[in-house]
Amino acid sequence: GNSVTQMEGPVTLSEEAFLTINCTYTATGYPSLFWYVQYPGEGLQLLLKATKADDKGSNKGFEATYRKETTSFHLEKGSVQVSDSAVYFCALSVLNNAGNMLTFGGGTRLMVKP
Amino acid sequence: DSGVTQTPKHLITATGQRVTLRCSPRSGDLSVYWYQQSLDQGLQFLIQYYNGEERAKGNILERFSAQQFPDLHSELNLSSLELGDSALYFCASSATGVNQYTGELFFGEGSRLTVL
Repeated sequence: GNSVTQMEGPVTLSEEAFLTINCTYTATGYPSLFWYVQYPGEGLQLLLKATKADDKGSNKGFEATYRKETTSFHLEKGSVQVSDSAVYFCALSVLNNAGNMLTFGGGTRLMVKP
Repeated sequence: DSGVTQTPKHLITATGQRVTLRCSPRSGDLSVYWYQQSLDQGLQFLIQYYNGEERAKGNILERFSAQQFPDLHSELNLSSLELGDSALYFCASSATGVNQYTGELFFGEGSRLTVL
């Protein structure tokens, strides 16, 4: 079956620090990989995605590269801000003929202090 | 705004009761998904509907049921509620069809259920 493992939080950083949140996966077939973010009191929203090996997804200063050889999709940001405080979910999907079903990791809470 | 609407936003009820959560997907999306988010178990996939038909089932209890109506809105029914059912229930929708596939789910803001 499909599964996603990400580092447990919380991760606490000072503003302008470098962020890495690790994510590894197991999947049958050729999954697409995603990072979703959940800000306090809100639903999940897509942060970035990559659909094939070696693709790099990027958005709002965040990046993640689809590494098939290590089955990883680690999230990075060079300089975090207080406004990045949220819960980050790594996810994968394999297309079926009704759309896609996401399999999520357990989420990593990020807290950025001024 | 994701375009997915969930009601109610908050619900407080007692053990043994039954509640219905409602979801309106984004315009044009045929697939609807329900997820449960609890503090200790993260995001759990419950069930998926596509154009009125059940397509995939996850960790959904027998006390829970769902359906998708002809206008594509969906309802999640939770019965014989227990304290452990307290959670945030998310609905999501996606564009479907190979030419529309982006892999992205659009989530509503969730319905927070508290069982006392």
